[in-house]
Amino acid sequence: ETGVTQSPTHLIKTRGQQVTLRCSSQSGHNTVSWYQQALGQGPQFIFQYYREEENGRGNFPPRFSGLQFPNYSSELNVNALELDDSALYLCASSLSGAPGYTFGSGTRLTVV
Amino acid sequence: QQQVKQSPQSLIVQKGGIPIINCAYENTAFDYFPWYQQFPGKGPALLIAIRPDVSEKKEGRFTISFNKSAKQFSLHIMDSQPGDSATYFCAASANTGNQFYFGTGTSLTVIP
Repeated sequence: ETGVTQSPTHLIKTRGQQVTLRCSSQSGHNTVSWYQQALGQGPQFIFQYYREEENGRGNFPPRFSGLQFPNYSSELNVNALELDDSALYLCASSLSGAPGYTFGSGTRLTVV
Repeated sequence: QQQVKQSPQSLIVQKGGIPIINCAYENTAFDYFPWYQQFPGKGPALLIAIRPDVSEKKEGRFTISFNKSAKQFSLHIMDSQPGDSATYFCAASANTGNQFYFGTGTSLTVIP
């Protein structure tokens, strides 16, 4: 059984650019959630995808968008990057109706 | 507004000690309360979780105590070891598998 894998592990972007982060969910999981974790803080919910549709969204602007593919993998896209977008972005997969997440190791995004 | 408040921010104990981390919440719709352990450079890993219908749950050296009337829950680590040194997050959710609200984390150091 494979866990949640995220790519890339680290990324440096310039303010105003766009970025795409990728996530492969754990085998058997059909739901993917994305979280932003600023340094020294707890993860903050961005959104969740189930059956390729957004299934809940946190307090993040529309420039944060996502996709889920038929194989349950997912992408997080962030447009018009701002310095405050610098954070660890975590992908978590789960099985719909079951409690708990399996988190990936995250993508460390630095915006300069 | 922080939905889940966690304390202390940091904790140092001797090997064999029993660190206690506390969390409090306001939303009575929360019905699932997990604790996550996070090592540097890694994503959070589910440690133990509890539902409001029980007051205590033990798994190995980890125990959750839950006080529904006070809307508080805590993590106790028995016989703590240097390998337990990590950041611990409490969390809460209102629907199984949906958005989690995380505390701000507690950095635990266990001194040999």
